[in-house]
Amino acid sequence: SQKIEQNSEALNIQEGKTATLTCNYTNYSPAYLQWYRQDPGRGPVFLLLIRENEKEKRKERLKVTFDTTLKQSLFHITASQPADSATYLCALDNQGGKLIFGQGTELSVKP
Amino acid sequence: DGGITQSPKYLFRKEGQNVTLSCEQNLNHDAMYWYRQDPGQGLRLIYYSQIVNDFQKGDIAEGYSVSREKKESFPLTVTSAQKNPTAFYLCASAGTSNQPQHFGDGTRLSIL
Repeated sequence: SQKIEQNSEALNIQEGKTATLTCNYTNYSPAYLQWYRQDPGRGPVFLLLIRENEKEKRKERLKVTFDTTLKQSLFHITASQPADSATYLCALDNQGGKLIFGQGTELSVKP
Repeated sequence: DGGITQSPKYLFRKEGQNVTLSCEQNLNHDAMYWYRQDPGQGLRLIYYSQIVNDFQKGDIAEGYSVSREKKESFPLTVTSAQKNPTAFYLCASAGTSNQPQHFGDGTRLSIL
């Protein structure tokens, strides 16, 4: 069956450290994968998109990798800050213009 | 200021009642989407529309209906046939179906 999975347990890290979030998928062949940030009671906000032919993408303190052999994407936040605390969602395209979302990983950055 | 607006923020429904959730965008986007989010779960696609006057069922369309008569508007009706409507409903839009999606801030629907 098709699945997209993110760390179900919340990730707690100290300010200044690097947070690494994982997104694994099975039985999909996505052309691209996206990461979103969601704050409580708000809609998700787009962060980064990485295509299947790209190994890595960066935006300021954010870095995303995409390994189509391992069927995995890693999302890194370097020099993390308390303001980075939120739920992070990965989503992959399922052809036909639809996105399939993971359940999200809650990140908490402590000062 | 371009964006996507959902209203109301909170909505209550009585048993056997249909309710309609509003979604308006002024981003000139062709594609629009409705998702449902339950606690601890990812977003699940209810309906989507890639162009005016056309829409397709998503993964959980039963008990819901939509219309797309105008490019900027994509209202969702939760019918009495939806037996478990309590959830957080999110509307999104995108320039085209393979571009990042812009989300509204959701409508939380509860049953009285």
